[in-house]
Amino acid sequence: NAGVTQTPKFQVLKTGQSMTLQCAQDMNHEYMSWYRQDPGMGLRLIHYSVGAGITDQGEVPNGYNVSRSTTEDFPLRLLSAAPSQTSVYFCASSYSGASPLHFGNGTRLTVT
Amino acid sequence: GQQVMQIPQYQHVQEGEDFTTYCNSSTTLSNIQWYKQRPGGHPVFLIQLVKSGEVKKQKRLTFQFGEAKKNSSLHITATQTTDVGTYFCAGLKTTDSWGKLQFGAGTQVVVTP
Repeated sequence: NAGVTQTPKFQVLKTGQSMTLQCAQDMNHEYMSWYRQDPGMGLRLIHYSVGAGITDQGEVPNGYNVSRSTTEDFPLRLLSAAPSQTSVYFCASSYSGASPLHFGNGTRLTVT
Repeated sequence: GQQVMQIPQYQHVQEGEDFTTYCNSSTTLSNIQWYKQRPGGHPVFLIQLVKSGEVKKQKRLTFQFGEAKKNSSLHITATQTTDVGTYFCAGLKTTDSWGKLQFGAGTQVVVTP
């Protein structure tokens, strides 16, 4: 039982490049979400999903896209990377919207 | 901006001392969760509180949910070096849909032996 798996662990992008952060969970959780963590800001919700085919915006969605074609996977796409997107990104899943979150190990992204 | 406020942002504690971190929301919360993140790690769930006035204990950690369900606290007694890390509260507002858990900025705890 791997829990929540995020790839890659580290990534460096140039401004304007695009990439996809992968997230997969094997706990059959309906709810999945993406957070970014910046110093002194805590964790801010980017996008979340309450089930396959359903996504919604969080607090800081601009510059990011998501889709949820299966229960297991919830990739986060950066369309045109900007230095302001330098951050640590965490994917999380939960049994329900009010249940405890299970976090992945995070992706540390640097945009130059 | 941050709608769940957490204080203090930084706490330096001598080993063996007690300390408390506080979490405040301007709106009523359905529930509140607490997480701990070790340096370089990911947040790990500690506890969830759902009832007004609820108090839960985990060994040296005591969690409390306010009567109005707008604030919460985490009290640690006899701090140990293993308590080092950042403690986050996360609340779900009653007016928000499921899934929109909002995190506080966290309290970073440093323990001096």
